[in-house]
Amino acid sequence: QQQVKQSPQSLIVQKGGISIINCAYENTAFDYFPWYQQFPGKGPALLIAIRPDVSEKKEGRFTISFNKSAKQFSLHIMDSQPGDSATYFCAATLAGSGTYKYIFGTGTRLKVLA
Amino acid sequence: EAGVTQSPTHLIKTRGQQVTLRCSPISGHTSVYWYQQALGLGLQFLLWYDEGEERNRGNFPPRFSGRQFPNYSSELNVNALELEDSALYLCASSLDGGAWQPQHFGDGTRLSIL
Repeated sequence: QQQVKQSPQSLIVQKGGISIINCAYENTAFDYFPWYQQFPGKGPALLIAIRPDVSEKKEGRFTISFNKSAKQFSLHIMDSQPGDSATYFCAATLAGSGTYKYIFGTGTRLKVLA
Repeated sequence: EAGVTQSPTHLIKTRGQQVTLRCSPISGHTSVYWYQQALGLGLQFLLWYDEGEERNRGNFPPRFSGRQFPNYSSELNVNALELEDSALYLCASSLDGGAWQPQHFGDGTRLSIL
């Protein structure tokens, strides 16, 4: 019940295309859903995050869509660029419960072709 | 603003040895989190420290331990190293242990066990 399932494992997109990464969770108590971007040799960097009281959040070319009833959330990267090539992790946490540990998905390796 | 810093960047040890990894949080951050990222896997939560106290622990054996100092820096200690401990160890910090404070990661310590 604590798992976050992420798909696909890898993704190849043409420059200018839309990259879509999906995550699903079981625990309905999760109340904070961040996305991280990780380049080789670097730590994960926070990209964008959403709380379940909103269905969508957009920051630049990055959008999180959240479907509370389906217990799913997804990251959309519009106009994908070669510089977006990285591994993306979704996460979920029980922010309101005082535990604050993140449960991460297993990651999606994105490659954007020039 | 300096980010989360970790030392050393790389470490090679042999089975049975002990290791100490260090983390300095972002200035003003009081919470420190440790994660293990094994090759090809997602991030697994290890420990959370806030205000010098251990607040939460992941599903790891007791040979994984740590502490947080009065200046909020932290150490992760791993005793009796095993081959399966080979991984990237990531430290993250947040403003406090409050709900919805995003975690900011360092670039990690790559630990290799021979």
